[in-house]
Amino acid sequence: ETGVTQTPRHLVMGMTNKKSLKCEQHLGHNAMYWYKQSAKKPLELMFVYSLEERVENNSVPSRFSPECPNSSHLFLHLHTLQPEDSALYLCASSQARTSPYEQYFGPGTRLTVT
Amino acid sequence: KQEVTQIPAALSVPEGENLVLNCSFTDSAIYNLQWFRQDPGKGLTSLLLIQSSQREQTSGRLNASLDKSSGRSTLYIAASQPGDSATYLCAVRDNYGQNFVFGPGTRLSVLP
Repeated sequence: ETGVTQTPRHLVMGMTNKKSLKCEQHLGHNAMYWYKQSAKKPLELMFVYSLEERVENNSVPSRFSPECPNSSHLFLHLHTLQPEDSALYLCASSQARTSPYEQYFGPGTRLTVT
Repeated sequence: KQEVTQIPAALSVPEGENLVLNCSFTDSAIYNLQWFRQDPGKGLTSLLLIQSSQREQTSGRLNASLDKSSGRSTLYIAASQPGDSATYLCAVRDNYGQNFVFGPGTRLSVLP
């Protein structure tokens, strides 16, 4: 596979479930990002990992827990979510220390919390 | 705190027209600006990236300009086609870290 892949593409979960979103990049990048896209709101940056170290955490509730085991994989662990967490979750990657830091996005996971 | 706005929010044009999408940002201390397109329910596709030291970038029928001092970028689409229908987003990367801030997007419809 090429580019940035995300699984699953669609997820429906109850408020008491625990699930994980997975992102994998095949571009040789070393920075990875999680974004949330809600209806009628701009994309919100949630987390940034650069060289496998978390460098940004933009006031995201603790019910979202990221994990970056290596530079090619990124996970978002979900637990005790709320209905307002329903959104499209997008993963992206870029180079961390080499300009121009162009971002490449995956297709997203459409999450519905019931 | 960086804020990015895009005007118009939505645009509908007949096929063949040239058009301009606008992006404004409040903090001129940016590292680069990137334009994306997003089809409904899909991820983002990178169109053009302009470094802060550059004035414009071109790819095919697309031309993006950057005026950092005034906090503006434009995306010019020549000879629009129905396949150009999508939401167009701009994003700025700041100088201070890995933070990217996105605008709300412009939803473009090109009518056959």
